[in-house]
Amino acid sequence: RKEVEQDPGPFNVPEGATVAFNCTYSNSASQSFFWYRQDCRKEPKLLMSVYSSGNEDGRFTAQLNRASQYISLLIRDSKLSDSATYLCVVNTMNSGYSTLTFGKGTMLLVSP
Amino acid sequence: DAGVIQSPRHEVTEMGQEVTLRCKPISGHDYLFWYRQTMMRGLELLIYFNNNVPIDDSGMPEDRFSAKMPNASFSTLKIQPSEPRDSAVYFCASSLAWGQGTRTAEAFFGQGTRLTVV
Repeated sequence: RKEVEQDPGPFNVPEGATVAFNCTYSNSASQSFFWYRQDCRKEPKLLMSVYSSGNEDGRFTAQLNRASQYISLLIRDSKLSDSATYLCVVNTMNSGYSTLTFGKGTMLLVSP
Repeated sequence: DAGVIQSPRHEVTEMGQEVTLRCKPISGHDYLFWYRQTMMRGLELLIYFNNNVPIDDSGMPEDRFSAKMPNASFSTLKIQPSEPRDSAVYFCASSLAWGQGTRTAEAFFGQGTRLTVV
């Protein structure tokens, strides 16, 4: 099983739609979770952290289910500018050091 | 701060040549990461440093790859000899130290070096 798995997509949605991405991780010792966004031919950038209680940032909602080792990202009222690849990222501590493991990403295409 | 700075942005080289990629992390960041991104494999961690010391190089594909961090403001990734399958985008990222229980640990990425080996 891969460390971090995501549906590659692409997800094609019209403007205004709600879309959800899922991610599963294999290491139960993982401690922190994030969603990064990567625009075409650009570097990844942090979108939001994912907290155990779930968290919201404007149109974006992230949720974590530790028992199922599952993370989700919900985007409401999609905008054209949301078109990008969304990377699920897991931070695992190992012998006192931390590593970030990235999923391959889910591509989102928002059309007019 | 200008962010993480990588050079060159693009590199085209012939098979067998030596390639050196450079990275300047954000000042004050304790962690430096080298990643490689391809369509097939996504973002793969190659190696990371903490306070200039290599911590985990298990992602380095083979002996042709080496990385150094001679000081807190500079790191290199070298491929010698290069092969066509090394063609990818190589990202450098840096981050502040974080410890047990810290909730956020944002990694800041450079713009990447797009390497093509022909």
